[in-house]
This record gives sequence, structure tokens and C-alpha cells, in this order.
Amino acid sequence: LAKTTQPISMDSYEGQEVNITCSHNNIATNDYITWYQQFPSQGPRFIIQGYKTKVTNEVASLFIPADRKSSTLSLPRVSLSDTAVYYCLVGDVSSNTGKLIFGQGTTLQVKP
Amino acid sequence: DAGVTQSPTHLIKTRGQQVTLRCSPISGHKSVSWYQQVLGQGPQFIFQYYEKEERGRGNFPDRFSARQFPNYSSELNVNALLLGDSALYLCASSLDPGSSYNEQFFGPGTRLTVL
Repeated sequence: LAKTTQPISMDSYEGQEVNITCSHNNIATNDYITWYQQFPSQGPRFIIQGYKTKVTNEVASLFIPADRKSSTLSLPRVSLSDTAVYYCLVGDVSSNTGKLIFGQGTTLQVKP
Repeated sequence: DAGVTQSPTHLIKTRGQQVTLRCSPISGHKSVSWYQQVLGQGPQFIFQYYEKEERGRGNFPDRFSARQFPNYSSELNVNALLLGDSALYLCASSLDPGSSYNEQFFGPGTRLTVL
């Protein structure tokens, strides 16, 4: 699985848009990019997944440039409840064996 | 529908003791995976079980073992506890081992403290 690099931490204020970038220079052709969210003392929760260009759901948007060597998770108008750790994962979902490989993640702190 | 449940919520043990953690997957899910999350780090894969058989193992010592029961619930056992085993132990369930990333659901975890 491709290694990912994310900022360790980010601060934001309520109502702002937050963009978290993940680098994955060695991403393979069959790899997808997946983001998880984890609140303190809870298990990670799937947010969004994409392969290329842009994906949007009710929670977030995921921007993936043409070379796919990085991706950006965009959280619109964050609130205090978005304070959490965000993990970027890269892997071939079609041959997933159930083994998710997490990095350190990005701790997002939303301030009032 | 109930999500993934884990018990106990918290546990305190001393070095050298043994511990058993339990997980009940979402109804209909036959695959269970276990992860260890040390404070400040991402979860690390320990085991995956499907249909009562081990399907994957992470880089953990033999002190860690697990099993899955006919009702698809699972237990994680850790023997000869070390201080470094203190962590949040997470269970994730999915329909089968090949489930995509968005089809794996995590429980709230068991917080194990080893003194």
C-alpha cells in the first residue's frame, strides 16, 4: 500500500472551510483514496472515497489532481463537532483483505 | 440496527496478567478485524477473522490471539501483558473480507490500561 503523508495538526474556526492535503507519491494505478474521521475514544468512521477528479457527498468533498500524487479533503463550514483526527488511506479497494493501514492522521481543532 | 459493540468499555490490568476483549459485529456481518491504537497514533491491524478462520495477521507477537464464534462474535486475548499493550483496542466488522473501505464499520473500542 502506498505511504501517505499528512500534516500532524491544523486549527480552524467555526464557519470556515478546512482543506487537509495528503501526499501519496507512490500511489498505484488500482489504488483508491479514502478518508476516515475519528473522534476521541471512538472508532474511525468512513467519510469519503475517490479515484480521480472530484467527489462530493453530504459531509465533504475530495479533490484529486490528474497525477493523483496528492489529494485534498475539504470540509465546508466546519463546526466545533468537526474537531477530530482525519486519516488518509490509499489502497486497492477491489482486492481489499480487510487490512486498513492508517498513518498518524491530522488532528483538526475547530475553535469558536 | 445496532452497530458494532465491544466490551468492556474500559479495563485496568497489571503486568503479566491476561485479558479477553469481546466484539459483536453488525447483524449479517461475517468478518471481524481487530486493531490496536496507541495514544497519538493511527490504528494498527492485528487480526482478521472470517467464518471462524483467521484470514490475516498483523505484526504482533504470539501473546496476541483471537477467535471467532459461530454467531460471528469475536474475542481478542492478550497474555503476559506489558505496559506497552496499553491502548484502545478496536473491532471492525464487514460483510466479508473483501469488503471495500466504505463497508467496514468500527466499534467504540475497549480502553486497556496496563499498570
